[in-house]
Amino acid sequence: GQNIDQPTEMTATEGAIVQINCTYQTSGFNGLFWYQQHAGEAPTFLSYNVLDGLEEKGRFSSFLSRSKGYSYLLLKELQMKDSASYLCAVPLGRGGGNKLTFGTGTQLKVEL
Amino acid sequence: GAVVSQHPSRVICKSGTSVKIECRSLDFQATTMFWYRQFPKQSLMLMATSNEGSKATYEQGVEKDKFLINHASLTLSTLTVTSAHPEDSSFYICSASWDRKPTDTQYFGPGTRLTVL
Repeated sequence: GQNIDQPTEMTATEGAIVQINCTYQTSGFNGLFWYQQHAGEAPTFLSYNVLDGLEEKGRFSSFLSRSKGYSYLLLKELQMKDSASYLCAVPLGRGGGNKLTFGTGTQLKVEL
Repeated sequence: GAVVSQHPSRVICKSGTSVKIECRSLDFQATTMFWYRQFPKQSLMLMATSNEGSKATYEQGVEKDKFLINHASLTLSTLTVTSAHPEDSSFYICSASWDRKPTDTQYFGPGTRLTVL
């Protein structure tokens, strides 16, 4: 089966850097997705990692360590609009295709 | 690219009635569409996988006769909540992807807020 853990809530200051962690346990590994979801809206795709290391996309970066079953999303130069839920998800793979199992999401609050 | 729409965005209905929600991929052909349900402050729970031209695959615990899914074309899937009850009130979100490979990204629609009175 799949098991994904994320912190429930985090608070950070505008302009700062925040790291949102995700640990996972899967029977097979086919990469890991990060999505951003604002309240009452659908998730939007942020990143996909399948190889170890850090991938940077502007203010957002995502890191993966397959041996440790660990990923993090790094948000730099935080803005108020970054207040949202950040979802970590892994595909089931094999017969499950790209069906995703989502973590509970980390609710990030950015304060002045 | 990769735009997915849903209609309606909000719907309020009486208990016992049926509600149809449409999910469309606007600028790509979606081999697979997924339907999720999300309760307040909870994560997305997959309800079913919709494959064009074939029957939907439902997750354990989801009643296929209550949540009817039709995927008539590569750009449209519909979810019908039949005989809706207040406990069906939720945020329903669809997603679409080009293919079924594990690496294929899902793109989400804006969601439909269903309230059953």
